[in-house]
Amino acid sequence: DVKVTQSSRYLVKRTGEKVFLECVQDMDHENMFWYRQDPGLGLRLIYFSYDVKMKEKGDIPEGYSVSREKKERFSLILESASTNQTSMYLCASRTGYPYGYTFGSGTRLTVV
Amino acid sequence: GESVGLHLPTLSVQEGDNSIINCAYSNSASDYFIWYKQESGKGPQFIIDIRSNMDKRQGQRVTVLLNKTVKHLSLQIAATQPGDSAVYFCAENMVGNTGNQFYFGTGTSLTVIP
Repeated sequence: DVKVTQSSRYLVKRTGEKVFLECVQDMDHENMFWYRQDPGLGLRLIYFSYDVKMKEKGDIPEGYSVSREKKERFSLILESASTNQTSMYLCASRTGYPYGYTFGSGTRLTVV
Repeated sequence: GESVGLHLPTLSVQEGDNSIINCAYSNSASDYFIWYKQESGKGPQFIIDIRSNMDKRQGQRVTVLLNKTVKHLSLQIAATQPGDSAVYFCAENMVGNTGNQFYFGTGTSLTVIP
């Protein structure tokens, strides 16, 4: 069974902290994505990667960076957490176009 | 970015009734669509998909209808059950500002009344 695993379900961090959100998939998928989900705004794309070492900015990359050193792992980094980054973060992967995404369970991040 | 889905934000149905959830997508060039279900505290789960060369596709208790003329997608759930209570998103796959990927609607919250 296809799996996307996000390392934390809930996180509470302080303003200014560097935060790492980890995502691992076991499906040998090429493409990986990070979204944030906020009420009334839906899913917004932060960063994505179509291959190892490759990364592309999504629609809202400011304040974030990513790392993809291995095919199965895609990390989202909040360089200096701020309260407006409090959100649900969703990782997704797919084998490529034109297939659908498999999502992780999400990480609910609260920045205080 | 692109936006998808002029949904009603909430829908309440009686258990056993059929549910219809609607979605208006934005790009006539979109060629692949998916409905996702998201239960509280969980990530979205794939329900059913449809490609643009089809008008209708059926799954177990679910049917997706695609009307390309008016750029409209609907999800029909037959004999709705309490376990169907969730937020439902439509997603369209297209080439946008950030490459070839899915764009999601804000979702419709379905509540099933026992």
